[in-house]
Amino acid sequence: DTAVSQTPKYLVTQMGNDKSIKCEQNLGHDTMYWYKQDSKKFLKIMFSYNNKELIINETVPNRFSPKSPDKAHLNLHINSLELGDSAVYFCASSQVAGVGNEQFFGPGTRLTVL
Amino acid sequence: RKEVEQDPGPFNVPEGATVAFNCTYSNSASQSFFWYRQDCRKEPKLLMSVYSSGNEDGRFTAQLNRASQYISLLIRDSKLSDSATYLCVVNRNDYKLSFGAGTTVTVRA
Repeated sequence: DTAVSQTPKYLVTQMGNDKSIKCEQNLGHDTMYWYKQDSKKFLKIMFSYNNKELIINETVPNRFSPKSPDKAHLNLHINSLELGDSAVYFCASSQVAGVGNEQFFGPGTRLTVL
Repeated sequence: RKEVEQDPGPFNVPEGATVAFNCTYSNSASQSFFWYRQDCRKEPKLLMSVYSSGNEDGRFTAQLNRASQYISLLIRDSKLSDSATYLCVVNRNDYKLSFGAGTTVTVRA
């Protein structure tokens, strides 16, 4: 059973399009995250939700909008895609928010903007 | 200055060798420390937490030096399957993890 799943795995699209990435976790965790890993391999936190409430909102363009319909799902919608959005986007979850909690990552969505 | 800095490597070592590398962090308020492992084109996975007194997990030993603000990872008796990128991860007293860019280790037969 996949603990944290993401769809799609690969996404190739044109500049200016709007796209969504979906994430689901079946671990019963309260907290979910979106990370971006760029070509230099840095993983950067974008957003985090704890029990459907936004708790981390890093400095990302407002073209990126997360949505958590319930605590098992955290989706990421991106408007007006730009070349610089090309990266691997990872969803993750942890049992609770806070210091010391292991995060479990999904397999990633490789986004390529042409 | 980046929050977490690592030597990117690569460290190329023969099977059975010992390899060690460090990571430095800038925020002295950091409270939790981890090593994650990321295989090529895969997601990161927790390798081990790092405790103040240092800790071992099989062939892996992690150390923390709060005074100098670095953590280290040592791998003994390297296996081919240890080839991966090792991410140093630091947690302040909030919800956010800060990741280093990773140290690449390649173990050759």
